[in-house]
Amino acid sequence: EIVLTQSPGTLSLSPGERATLSCRASQSVTSTSLAWYQQKPGQAPRLLVYGASSRATGIPGRFSGSGSGTDFTLTISRLEPEDFAVYYCQQYAISPKTFGQGTKLELK
Amino acid sequence: EVQLLESGGGLVQPGGSLRLSCAASGFTLKNYAMTWVRQAPGKGLEWVSTISGTIGGSGGATYYPDSVKGRFTISRDTSENTLYLQMSSLRAEDTAVYYCAKGNNFAEAWGHGTLVTVSS
Repeated sequence: EIVLTQSPGTLSLSPGERATLSCRASQSVTSTSLAWYQQKPGQAPRLLVYGASSRATGIPGRFSGSGSGTDFTLTISRLEPEDFAVYYCQQYAISPKTFGQGTKLELK
Repeated sequence: EVQLLESGGGLVQPGGSLRLSCAASGFTLKNYAMTWVRQAPGKGLEWVSTISGTIGGSGGATYYPDSVKGRFTISRDTSENTLYLQMSSLRAEDTAVYYCAKGNNFAEAWGHGTLVTVSS
């Protein structure tokens, strides 16, 4: 099983700042089979990025994904008030598909 | 517009059974892989089950992680455009919000979820 470790656990930033979220895999995630989701309190997760760097339909351009192998990053270029939420990475290279434990992006 | 509406959650005793439903609209469910993902209260996400679709898939092949294998069964009713998750031998650790999602590898659309509580 691939274990995904996200860092930091909590990130405190202000609107307009740049956010960098990390996801590290316990073994190589082949074919960049990695997705990112956003979840707000009381809501279902929302797909942001798949294939490590492809934005899902309707996702603003300020969200970007990068990385390969064992190290992946989600970057939010300029934070908007609605971006404060919990973010999860997920690998789908090897079964079982697994998620990271999440990074909480909170308002500073 | 893709819409997914789960139902069937509730309180069940340990060892009991429950069937969750997910009514799909905006697309033909049988054509696409469908998945159940759960989230224990205050915790992260866990991939629970997938059934492949007729487009690009094995047309009904199912997948379960070890944590639910032999206890959970995913299925669909094509006439009702509805996905199901039959859960048996339920344990306290199965307590979670269960989400229905469209997709095989990653979940591109999600329902709002239904809460399952396993407790005596």
